[in-house]
Amino acid sequence: KNEVEQSPQNLTAQEGEFITINCSYSVGISALHWLQQHPGGGIVSLFMLSSGKKKHGRLIATINIQEKHSSLHITASHPRDSAVYICAVKKIWNYGGSQGNLIFGKGTKLSVKP
Amino acid sequence: SQTIHQWPATLVQPVGSPLSLECTVEGTSNPNLYWYRQAAGRGLQLLFYSVGIGQISSEVPQNLSASRPQDRQFILSSKKLLLSDSGFYLCAWRGQPNTEAFFGQGTRLTVV
Repeated sequence: KNEVEQSPQNLTAQEGEFITINCSYSVGISALHWLQQHPGGGIVSLFMLSSGKKKHGRLIATINIQEKHSSLHITASHPRDSAVYICAVKKIWNYGGSQGNLIFGKGTKLSVKP
Repeated sequence: SQTIHQWPATLVQPVGSPLSLECTVEGTSNPNLYWYRQAAGRGLQLLFYSVGIGQISSEVPQNLSASRPQDRQFILSSKKLLLSDSGFYLCAWRGQPNTEAFFGQGTRLTVV
């Protein structure tokens, strides 16, 4: 089982719809990242969370540390939001381990139709 | 402001040929640098990370190597490419392990 699971794998929405992408993880973490990967492959960091909620424009990210779950919400979706959204966690290592290693989900491919 | 440059954007190489992908960071000093690979249908996987000049840690055994000849330069190399080396390679940097990560635009490598 992957340590970071995302759902859904693919998501198609109509312009204007409210979108939710979920991320669950099974390890202790110090931070969780939401990333956006455009069709050309470039990745942009959207949020880094360790607790609570963050908002940037139409994007909202929440995290529940106890439930090991995070959600990325997009309000009033637009075709330009079409991309792959990736959840990544910074795992807490008990015995050294990789400094700075992020464990990535496989991504959610979002298509927003006009 | 900090920026990260990665090149080339796309690359088609024959099996057995060498590889050199370069990543440079501007606007920061002593960054933690990372090379990731994204194979088709799979998530990003950490290949190498570096916390300083000449300091390279490898996460998975493979046909690739990395070097950090300068503080803000990270190079991914191979002496002889394999078909299985095909994929999308991303360079990233962070100031500290628990800070936001910044990614390059990536290199799509096809080994033929």
